Amino acid sequence: EAEVAQSPRYKITEKSQAVAFWCDPISGHATLYWYRQILGQGPELLVQFQDESVVDDSQLPKDRFSAERLKGVDSTLKIQPAELGDSAMYLCASRERGSLTDTQYFGPGTRLTVL
Amino acid sequence: EDQVTQSPEALRLQEGESSSLNCSYTVSGLRGLFWYRQDPGKGPEFLFTLYSAGEEKEKERLKATLTKKESFLHITAPKPEDSATYLCAVNSYQAGTALIFGKGTTLSVSS
Repeated sequence: EAEVAQSPRYKITEKSQAVAFWCDPISGHATLYWYRQILGQGPELLVQFQDESVVDDSQLPKDRFSAERLKGVDSTLKIQPAELGDSAMYLCASRERGSLTDTQYFGPGTRLTVL
Repeated sequence: EDQVTQSPEALRLQEGESSSLNCSYTVSGLRGLFWYRQDPGKGPEFLFTLYSAGEEKEKERLKATLTKKESFLHITAPKPEDSATYLCAVNSYQAGTALIFGKGTTLSVSS
């Protein structure tokens, strides 16, 4: 069964350092989403891609966060510099092109701890 | 503003004790309502999508229903392996395909 891949699974960093997360969506899925989930809360959208183009990054803190999906396949989310409040689970999800169901499939997530 | 509220926040059941989880939503033009299961430290696992009031879907011991204001996730004769956090999410025609999630209901089933 096809799955969304993410790495690393866990990341511990000190504040002011740079971190990067990688996501490989299910093959053929044109839409890719990055969500952030704080402990005890539901996931919240950070950025949405359609192929290589950003569709929605209105909730992405652009002074420190950046995201790219250069070839319209895998994607990288970067934080520089990391702050204590960035500690959270970073989830990647993908959706099939032209899907009638809108269903998003999530990866295992990257747990970030900022010290 | 689109909003999703789940209740209760936490639910403890004995094995075999059926119950329901509630998801109330406010959205401008519901496109779809989604239920996910999330185990600790893992990503959400897709369960159901519902599109219109009156729709119902079932999977093993779970049954999801939808009205114009809320959705219920009914759990029949739960087992300890059903213990998890259940997340409800919606998207709207206005906002597109991105999901708006509730905070979840954490279910604990003891034997």
